[in-house]
Amino acid sequence: SAVISQKPSRDICQRGTSLTIQCQVDSQVTMMFWYRQQPGQSLTLIATANQGSEATYESGFVIDKFPISRPNLTFSTLTVSNMSPEDSSIYLCSVEESETLEQYFGPGTRLTVT
Amino acid sequence: QKEVEQNSGPLSVPEGAIASLNCTYSDRGSQSFFWYRQYSGKSPELIMFIYSNGDKEDGRFTAQLNKASQYVSLLIRDSQPSDSATYLCASPGNYGQNFVFGPGTRLSVLP
Repeated sequence: SAVISQKPSRDICQRGTSLTIQCQVDSQVTMMFWYRQQPGQSLTLIATANQGSEATYESGFVIDKFPISRPNLTFSTLTVSNMSPEDSSIYLCSVEESETLEQYFGPGTRLTVT
Repeated sequence: QKEVEQNSGPLSVPEGAIASLNCTYSDRGSQSFFWYRQYSGKSPELIMFIYSNGDKEDGRFTAQLNKASQYVSLLIRDSQPSDSATYLCASPGNYGQNFVFGPGTRLSVLP
């Protein structure tokens, strides 16, 4: 399976600021995704990061709040904009094996907004 | 809206016993299911997937799928304290879209 890294691993941010999270994969993958996992909760899909086009957002998530870039097949960024304490969460990127639909996750970014 | 349900637990079993984790789903069109293990503070790790009705075995793990009853289960034989984690059931949509995770079941294996 692909090796996925994320930066930063954790951050503490002031409300009203923005944070960009990077996701790097060691091989080219078609499908990359961004998830949020709030404390004690399961994973919620934020969006699919599409290479060369705008991301596809799930219900309840909008581009102005969570802009996503996907400049190539090995890299993506997620920005959490105008943060509030409710955005405190773990943010995970994942990649999908195209033949089996298995998803593999990066180590996550733990964000705390004060 | 596709839903995947799990008992949140905690499920406690003694070391060496069989742990049985269950998941039900609402979308009859779902074709495949994945079980992930998540240790506290870590990201989910894929441990099993199943596409066909019946059982699939991998070491101490057995996944069972019953499409008619819309449930999928994970059995862990000879449970070890290191199996203590949250187990997430997930069902993908097409090309990963609408990939839905259940709330997870917290398993505790007691030495």
